[in-house]
Amino acid sequence: EAGVTQFPSHSVIEKGQTVTLRCDPISGHDNLYWYRRVMGKEIKFLLHFVKESKQDESGMPNNRFLAERTGGTYSTLKVQPAELEDSGVYFCASSQNPKTDTQYFGPGTRLTVL
Amino acid sequence: SQKIEQNSEALNIQEGKTATLTCNYTNYSPAYLQWYRQDPGRGPVFLLLIRENEKEKRKERLKVTFDTTLKQSLFHITASQPADSATYLCARHGSSNTGKLIFGQGTTLQVKP
Repeated sequence: EAGVTQFPSHSVIEKGQTVTLRCDPISGHDNLYWYRRVMGKEIKFLLHFVKESKQDESGMPNNRFLAERTGGTYSTLKVQPAELEDSGVYFCASSQNPKTDTQYFGPGTRLTVL
Repeated sequence: SQKIEQNSEALNIQEGKTATLTCNYTNYSPAYLQWYRQDPGRGPVFLLLIRENEKEKRKERLKVTFDTTLKQSLFHITASQPADSATYLCARHGSSNTGKLIFGQGTTLQVKP
């Protein structure tokens, strides 16, 4: 069974540019999460999808971040325009049951904004 | 605020010894805590989940305890090996009904041969 995959693995962009990160969850997992780890800090929750609906987006930093999950399969996280403080590692995770099941994490996308 | 705190200093131990990592929580009583392992360049990998009514849980060389009085979970690796070197993360669910996980900063373990 394939795990959670993320693309790209690394992205280096300049301040003001746009970047789109993609996450493919484990097949059959309705729950998809985005997290972020900035340098020296803990991993922080961004948002949670159940199928194509946003269940909880309380962790989204601001309106420069837009997450979508069309059709309830893969998800994209767009940052537009990117700022220096957006640099970090963005993780995606998926699970079957949100409250009791293990979350399976992808390898992350390392975003560097110059 | 409802925090999860782990000792952010690295833990260095000799191969064969038992590693003990600490996770403390404040201002909240989680129904359960989870422990994850993270290797450089990879995402966290789930290891164990312990519920508040379970005092201890084991999986091979791993043991987790949950002390609701001390508001603390301890994570033990017995007979540690260099391959156990990694960052270990403690996490709890947020107070909402979603699956949001709140992580500690993680403790990096280095097992020396």
